[in-house]
Amino acid sequence: SAVISQKPSRDICQRGTSLTIQCQVDSQVTMMFWYRQQPGQSLTLIATANQGSEATYESGFVIDKFPISRPNLTFSTLTVSNMSPEDSSIYLCSVGGGQGYGYTFGSGTRLTVV
Amino acid sequence: AQSVTQLDSQVPVFEEAPVELRCNYSSSVSVYLFWYVQYPNQGLQLLLKYLSGSTLVKGINGFEAEFNKSQTSFHLRKPSVHISDTAEYFCAVSEGSSNTGKLIFGQGTTLQVKP
Repeated sequence: SAVISQKPSRDICQRGTSLTIQCQVDSQVTMMFWYRQQPGQSLTLIATANQGSEATYESGFVIDKFPISRPNLTFSTLTVSNMSPEDSSIYLCSVGGGQGYGYTFGSGTRLTVV
Repeated sequence: AQSVTQLDSQVPVFEEAPVELRCNYSSSVSVYLFWYVQYPNQGLQLLLKYLSGSTLVKGINGFEAEFNKSQTSFHLRKPSVHISDTAEYFCAVSEGSSNTGKLIFGQGTTLQVKP
């Protein structure tokens, strides 16, 4: 299975600011995903990070709020823009698809907006 | 559209007792199925997955799950739990035929192991 490094592991941010989360994979992967886990809730898919093209967003999530970059097959970033307390969540990146990837997750970024 | 239902939000059990965490899914196409564990203040760890082949899947930490296509279920079991198994458990489904890699998660089951 792929090994995923995600950073920062946690942050406390002021409302109105932005935070960029990085996800680095130890091998080239086709599919990378970003999920959100709100406090006490399950995981919800934000978007699929596509290499060389715009990310594909799920219903309820928009590019202006959650811009995503995928410059190559091992790296992606998620930015949480113009943050409000409602954005306080754990954000996780994941790789999936293909039996060799194992659908593994990064350790997550615990974001608190004050 | 696919969906996942975890039938129990909380499961209290005594140490060394057996446990079953229930998961049912809805899908009109073939699926891949997963169980993840999340310990307090940690990320998700893959316990086991069903992609194809034998319907009985063995995972880490002594857990196993059985894929039942007719009942659209993928229940997780362990014959004897430990205090350290206390955690949140998530069942997830992915569309197998197109292999998009996207996961749909259930709402989670909190396993509380008591001494």
